[in-house]
Amino acid sequence: RKEVEQDPGPFNVPEGATVAFNCTYSNSASQSFFWYRQDCRKEPKLLMSVYSSGNEDGRFTAQLNRASQYISLLIRDSKLSDSATYLCVVSYSGGSYIPTFGRGTSLIVHP
Amino acid sequence: ETGVTQSPTHLIKTRGQQVTLRCSSQSGHNTVSWYQQALGQGPQFIFQYYREEENGRGNFPPRFSGLQFPNYSSELNVNALELDDSALYLCASSSRSGADEQYFGPGTRLTVT
Repeated sequence: RKEVEQDPGPFNVPEGATVAFNCTYSNSASQSFFWYRQDCRKEPKLLMSVYSSGNEDGRFTAQLNRASQYISLLIRDSKLSDSATYLCVVSYSGGSYIPTFGRGTSLIVHP
Repeated sequence: ETGVTQSPTHLIKTRGQQVTLRCSSQSGHNTVSWYQQALGQGPQFIFQYYREEENGRGNFPPRFSGLQFPNYSSELNVNALELDDSALYLCASSSRSGADEQYFGPGTRLTVT
C-alpha cells in the first residue's frame, strides 16, 4: 500500500458543479496535511493547510479524518480556472522531516 | 518579498555526468527542500536543509547530495547521472524546519541522454 494515495482521475465536471477529492494516508503518526494545486508544467502552489477542525477558504473546504486516515478537498461552484492537478501532502516529523506527496488528482472543468 | 528562484531552467546532460542545480529561497525563509517530479507523478522528497544542516532525507541514493549556504540558498548535486534521473527538480522554501507550508520555485527540467 502506498503511503499517500489519490485517485488520479480525471474528474470531468461542468462549471458550477461541486466536486470532492479524497487522499488517504497510511502513517497514523502523520502530523501535517496540505493541499497544493499544480497547473500543467508549472510548480505546485499551496492551496490550503488542513487542520483537525477543518478549514474553509472561499469555495474550497478541507477536512481531516484521523480515524479513517484521509483528508478531503471540496470545491464548490467550480470555475474553468479550477482545472488543474490537486496534490495532497502528508508529513511525518519523527525526529526528521519526511513529507510525502500523492500523485495528484486531475480536475477538468468544462463549460 | 522575493519568491523562490531556481537555475538553470532546463539542462541536458549525458549519462555518467554530474550536475548542480541551484535554488534561492524566499526572503525570510531558512529551510529548503528538494523534490524530484517525474511525468505524471507527485513530487518525491529528496532532502531538506534547515540552517545549513540536513533535516530529513527521502529514499534517494547517496549520489544525490546537497548544501545550504549561510544566506539559505541551496544546491542539489547529482553524480553519475542515470537516464531515470530525467525529471523536473523542484526546490521549496519554508519559514521553519519541519512540516510547514512550502513555496515552490519554477523547477529545473533535467534531461539525461
